[in-house]
Formats: sequence, structure tokens, C-alpha cells
Amino acid sequence: KAGVTQTPRYLIKTRGQQVTLSCSPISGHRSVSWYQQTPGQGLQFLFEYFSETQRNKGNFPGRFSGRQFSNSRSEMNVSTLELGDSALYLCASSLSQYNEKLFFGSGTQLSVL
Amino acid sequence: ELKVEQNPLFLSMQEGKNYTIYCNYSTTSDRLYWYRQDPGKSLESLFVLLSNGAVKQEGRLMASLDTKARLSTLHITAAVHDLSATYFCAVDMGSSGSRLTFGEGTQLTVNP
Repeated sequence: KAGVTQTPRYLIKTRGQQVTLSCSPISGHRSVSWYQQTPGQGLQFLFEYFSETQRNKGNFPGRFSGRQFSNSRSEMNVSTLELGDSALYLCASSLSQYNEKLFFGSGTQLSVL
Repeated sequence: ELKVEQNPLFLSMQEGKNYTIYCNYSTTSDRLYWYRQDPGKSLESLFVLLSNGAVKQEGRLMASLDTKARLSTLHITAAVHDLSATYFCAVDMGSSGSRLTFGEGTQLTVNP
């Protein structure tokens, strides 16, 4: 069974650009959540989706957005990139919205120059 | 605001020794998770603790949860080099298990 797949693995952008990251959950998993990992702030919750609905959102500016499609695949978008957006973005999936265990993808390493 | 604090943040130990990593959190929760992260890799789920007094063991690692003290411990027994990694505890902010607040992580190095 394939794990959580995130694409691309690495991304380099410049300030002011926008970026879209993709996440394909484990087959059958309907809940997808996103986390940002930086050396300074650690791991921080971005948002969570279940059945195409955003259920929770972390404390991030509106430049960060996401969506989930009917096949449970999810995308997150960051507009008007800032240097501080450089981070590892991790996607996690779980079977349901009440599942106990998250399965994380390998992440997308975003560098903003 | 929920805060999760781990102690120590850096741990260097010799093979064969025992040690404990502590995880304190600031608000009531009965769902706590431990994850492992190897350099350049993603997070791997180790333990899910769902109630007060929960204890789980896997190999040389044992995790416990005391919800009244808002404390979880990850005990390492007879450490081996393969356990070198960063260990994170995380507390569920809601009821879904998907909205987690993570600790800072404990970087463990096991030396031969």
C-alpha cells in the first residue's frame, strides 16, 4: 500500500511568487492535514481537511490556503511568498476525522530566495 | 494557548544506558502522541496514548501518560545507535487527532 505522497520534493521560489504543493493521501484515507516545520518555530499545524471541507485552521496568515478534492487529494497554496515561508511542509493523512494515527509524507522542502 | 514542552532538547548517551525524555503540556488533553524523525526524513508514529495511565512499549522504547500531571514520558532502555533520531511528543488540540501541537523535539544521539 503506497504511503502519503507529496510533490514536489524540493522547490525554490523567489519572494512575491506563489506556490502550490500537492499531497496524495494513503488510499482510503479521507482526512488530510498540513504542517509547517522550521528550525525556529518547529512543527506548526496549518490546516485540516475532511471530505473536501476545511475543519480546522492554524494560526497562519490568509496567504496560506488549501483545498481537498473529491478523491481526498489535497493542495496547499502560499501566495506572495516571504523569506520566512522557507520550510519543510508536511502532509499527513488518516482514515477518518476521528482516527488516532497520522501517517506523514516525506514533505516538500520550500526555499524562498 | 496550548504549550508542549520537552526536556531535554538534546541528549547524548552511550549505548546500553537508560534515559527518559519528558513531555509536559499546559492544558487538559487525554490524547498524546510520540513521533520519531530521522534527519531529512518524515515523521514516523511511535505511540498513541489515549487515556490516563496508558503505557505502551515497543522494543527498547516505552511511553506513558499521566493526564493529571499533564506529563508523558518516553523511556529508553539499553540504548542502541539505531535509536539516534529526533523524538517529538504532540498533543491533540481537538478531538480528531489531526490537529496536533508538537513539542520542540529531543535530539537523541547514541554513541558506541
